Amino acid sequence: RKEVEQDPGPFNVPEGATVAFNCTYSNSASQSFFWYRQDCRKEPKLLMSVYSSGNEDGRFTAQLNRASQYISLLIRDSKLSDSATYLCVVTPYGNNRLAFGKGNQVVVIP
Amino acid sequence: NAGVTQTPKFQVLKTGQSMTLQCAQDMNHNSMYWYRQDPGMGLRLIYYSASEGTTDKGEVPNGYNVSRLNKREFSLRLESAAPSQTSVYFCASTRTGSYEQYFGPGTRLTVT
Repeated sequence: RKEVEQDPGPFNVPEGATVAFNCTYSNSASQSFFWYRQDCRKEPKLLMSVYSSGNEDGRFTAQLNRASQYISLLIRDSKLSDSATYLCVVTPYGNNRLAFGKGNQVVVIP
Repeated sequence: NAGVTQTPKFQVLKTGQSMTLQCAQDMNHNSMYWYRQDPGMGLRLIYYSASEGTTDKGEVPNGYNVSRLNKREFSLRLESAAPSQTSVYFCASTRTGSYEQYFGPGTRLTVT
């Protein structure tokens, strides 16, 4: 069973709309959760951490549901520049190692 | 402050050839990582080094070797390249106690 599962999409989103997607993780011992962003043919970069109480960073909102073992990302008022792949990342190993999902591809359409 | 640098950016090898991918970071990070990324597979960990002088296998280590030359540099070697090793290779680093990994720009490797 994969550590992290994501629906790859693509998620085609009209500019200005809201898009949300989830990922599920298999190891209930995972302590830390993140969303990374990867632009086409570029390296991944940390977008935001995900806290138990949920957190916002501008138009981005991340939620964690430990009981159901999933995290979510919501993007409001989508911009063309939000087009990217969003990687769900968890820490099932108890050290600095990360487990990456395959990513949710978001395409914002004018 | 260059962050994480990787060389080369692109490489084409014939089956059976060897090569070393170089990675260096200037952030004084203790931990360094090598990943490969294939379409539909996501990022998979090949090897990592938690600190200078230590290396450990990740998810897909077969066919690779690594060297943590010093705190700054972590190299990945393919001794006998195979077409299955065609991929994009990313190096990353992080400081001890942090989960924020900083990635290099990647090396696009094709093995024919």
